Order: sequence, then C-alpha cells, then structure tokens
Amino acid sequence: AQSVTQLDSHVSVSEGTPVLLRCNYSSSYSPSLFWYVQHPNKGLQLLLKYTSAATLVKGINGFEAEFKKSETSFHLTKPSAHMSDAAEYFCVVRAGNKLTFGGGTRVLVKP
Amino acid sequence: EAGVAQSPRYKIIEKRQSVAFWCNPISGHATLYWYQQILGQGPKLLIQFQNNGVVDDSQLPKDRFSAERLKGVDSTLKIQPAKLEDSAVYLCASSLGAPGQGETQYFGPGTRLLVL
Repeated sequence: AQSVTQLDSHVSVSEGTPVLLRCNYSSSYSPSLFWYVQHPNKGLQLLLKYTSAATLVKGINGFEAEFKKSETSFHLTKPSAHMSDAAEYFCVVRAGNKLTFGGGTRVLVKP
Repeated sequence: EAGVAQSPRYKIIEKRQSVAFWCNPISGHATLYWYQQILGQGPKLLIQFQNNGVVDDSQLPKDRFSAERLKGVDSTLKIQPAKLEDSAVYLCASSLGAPGQGETQYFGPGTRLLVL
C-alpha cells in the first residue's frame, strides 16, 4: 500500500521569499514521486518528477524537490515566490499502475 | 499539441438525476484515466483504460457509476442516479504508454458537478 501526506494544508508567503511545501510518503515499492500544480479552473500541470535518478530534481518555473529516502520525504521548494505561484500543489506517489495523491497544499502569495 | 479536452465544464443537477461527462485524450495516448476530486481533497482514481479495455476500476462505485471507451479514443463517464456526495470535480487524464511504464499523465481542466 502507498500513501502521501502533505504536512501543510495552507502556506502563506510574501512575494520574493522562499517557498517550502512538505511531503512525506510511504510505499511498498521503490516509488516514483511527482509534484503537480493546479491553478483555479485549470487542469493539473506536472511540475517535476523523481524516478530513481538524481535525488535533487529540477522542475518548471524555478521549482525543485529533493528525494530523501531515509526521511521518506519529497519536499518542494522555490527560492523566490512569484504572485503567479498562488495555486494548489499536490504531491503524488506512483507504485506500479497506481497514482496516489496527497490532500494538497494551497499556496497564498502576498504582495 | 492539443491537451486533454473535457465537457461540459460545469453541471448542476438534482439528486437522483443522471449525468454524463465526456473526455477526449491527447491524440495517440493509449491510457485514459478518470479521477474524482472532492473539494479540499486530492484526486482519487475511479477507472483506468488502456485502449478500450478496463485496467483498474476497483474504486468505481459500480452501482451508480459507469464508464466506457468504446473505440479506444474518447470516453464517457456516467452517474445514474446522482447523490449529493457526488458533487466534485471529475478529471480526465491520459498518458502515452501502458500503465506502469512510467508515462506522465496529462490532465484536462475537469468538469465541476454540483448535485442539489
């Protein structure tokens, strides 16, 4: 069985400051991990994915995530938040055929 | 490249009525997925097709939900009869290869259903 826990349901940051979205996972298999972003009234968009290559993964729009097996974590970061980063973010684990989504973290960016 | 298309974008019905959603995946994508996303939660897989065959429908409430992908391209998801708890966004996604091959899933904009 696999599961994903996003530790914060809401995160509020000021524009230009760092963003950290926390994700812990559990999986019986060697997992593939993803971060997706969902803007209001738009489809889910893939930010980045980890598939057992480099543990530090760079994605689109300046986001990156680090896979830490010992901590079963896959936290998402961005050095400097932009207003356009306001959205909901989902951490996702894939094992075999199945994708399991976390509950989501809503990011608010203050000017 | 055109993305995943879904219609309608919004639907309001009364409980016990029927409703159908349509999805057209990215051209050439063999695998199609339907997800249900209840407000405040992450998406939950309902059913997964490879071409016109069902790969996984273990979380589909089969007493009221049905889905088909007859020609292996577009797909419809139906709810009959709808319940209040079916209010959610229904997301369609597609991927190029077979499930388990590590293909990225691409999502449509979703259909937002409200059951009154």
